[in-house]
Amino acid sequence: DVKVTQSSRYLVKRTGEKVFLECVQDMDHENMFWYRQDPGLGLRLIYFSYDVKMKEKGDIPEGYSVSREKKERFSLILESASTNQTSMYLCASTVGSAETQYFGPGTRLLVL
Amino acid sequence: ELKVEQNPLFLSMQEGKNYTIYCNYSTTSDRLYWYRQDPGKSLESLFVLLSNGAVKQEGRLMASLDTKARLSTLHITAAVHDLSATYFCAAGDSGTYKYIFGTGTRLKVLA
Repeated sequence: DVKVTQSSRYLVKRTGEKVFLECVQDMDHENMFWYRQDPGLGLRLIYFSYDVKMKEKGDIPEGYSVSREKKERFSLILESASTNQTSMYLCASTVGSAETQYFGPGTRLLVL
Repeated sequence: ELKVEQNPLFLSMQEGKNYTIYCNYSTTSDRLYWYRQDPGKSLESLFVLLSNGAVKQEGRLMASLDTKARLSTLHITAAVHDLSATYFCAAGDSGTYKYIFGTGTRLKVLA
């Protein structure tokens, strides 16, 4: 079974802090994604990566950056957390572009 | 720009009844996915539909795809309480790696 893990289930941070969210997948998947999920808005793509060190902006990249130094690991960075970044963050991976996504358990982030 | 719309957003139904969730997408897409999310949990893959006329079934759920109408449906047969969850469809953005999600349909099956 594919396993996607995220570093934290719950996080509480203060405005202005730098926040790191980490995602690891164990199935050698090429593509990895970061989404945020907010009530009534569904999932919105922040960034994705189709290879090591390769990244592309999604629909809402402002205020975020990413890093993919190893194939199995994809990190989301909030450079200076703000209250409007309070959300559920979901990581996903796929083996190829036509395949279904496998999701991690999510990180619920609260920015005070 | 690919957009995905689901309806209804909320659905409350009696056990034993049938119902359909609709997923429309705005431009050509070469792949369509359905996911389930239980409260407080992550998304679980249900179906992958890759061609016009594709139909997939698992238990009381059946998904279909009409690429000409840009429509996918998720049909629920004889609903049971365990099907209560939020269901998302997602369309693949042709020529990219992106998946565009609908806003989800929150289904509640009443005993």
